[in-house]
Amino acid sequence: DAKTTQPTSMDCAEGRAANLPCNHSTISGNEYVYWYRQIHSQGPQYIIHGLKNNETNEMASLIITEDRKSSTLILPHATLRDTAVYYCIVRFYTGGFKTIFGAGTRLFVKA
Amino acid sequence: DAGVTQSPTHLIKTRGQQVTLRCSPKSGHDTVSWYQQALGQGPQFIFQYYEEEERQRGNFPDRFSGHQFPNYSSELNVNALLLGDSALYLCASSLKAGAPDTDTQYFGPGTRLTVL
Repeated sequence: DAKTTQPTSMDCAEGRAANLPCNHSTISGNEYVYWYRQIHSQGPQYIIHGLKNNETNEMASLIITEDRKSSTLILPHATLRDTAVYYCIVRFYTGGFKTIFGAGTRLFVKA
Repeated sequence: DAGVTQSPTHLIKTRGQQVTLRCSPKSGHDTVSWYQQALGQGPQFIFQYYEEEERQRGNFPDRFSGHQFPNYSSELNVNALLLGDSALYLCASSLKAGAPDTDTQYFGPGTRLTVL
């Protein structure tokens, strides 16, 4: 099972881009990288996912390195409401996806 | 479009009791997964139900069991409650379990279980 490593916490100024790194050096070819965030005591919110290519949606961009050993989630213009715990997850397929969460990165967006 | 709903919101039980938590998946979804989240930790995968069968299971004892109904809703049952079972229990739904690119999970708000 591929594991992920993320910084425990990060700060970002409001209006600036937040770049959240994730290391998944043991990822294998059929494993997807997913990002979720969790605002205090709420259910995790899906942000974005990818396999090999960079992805972008209305919430964020996901940059995956060519060797797929690491990725970066980019929130282009962070707001105070983006303060949350961000989870980088590698989901592996075994006839069904099993999702393993790590401890995540606590992002503080400051005014 | 209704998202994932869970009931009850909060629950208080005593050691040794049994509890049942309920989940209704997002409209159009057919797969339900359950997670346990202790305070300050990430969610831990309990099991996943698809086509009314348990398809995947995490490292949880047999005291944790589940069920999925024909309308895709699901229940999580925990027997012989321990103090350590106190946690936020999360339900997530998705479409077509295991299908890459469609098996994106959407989470409900959770049920906060306190065991005294």
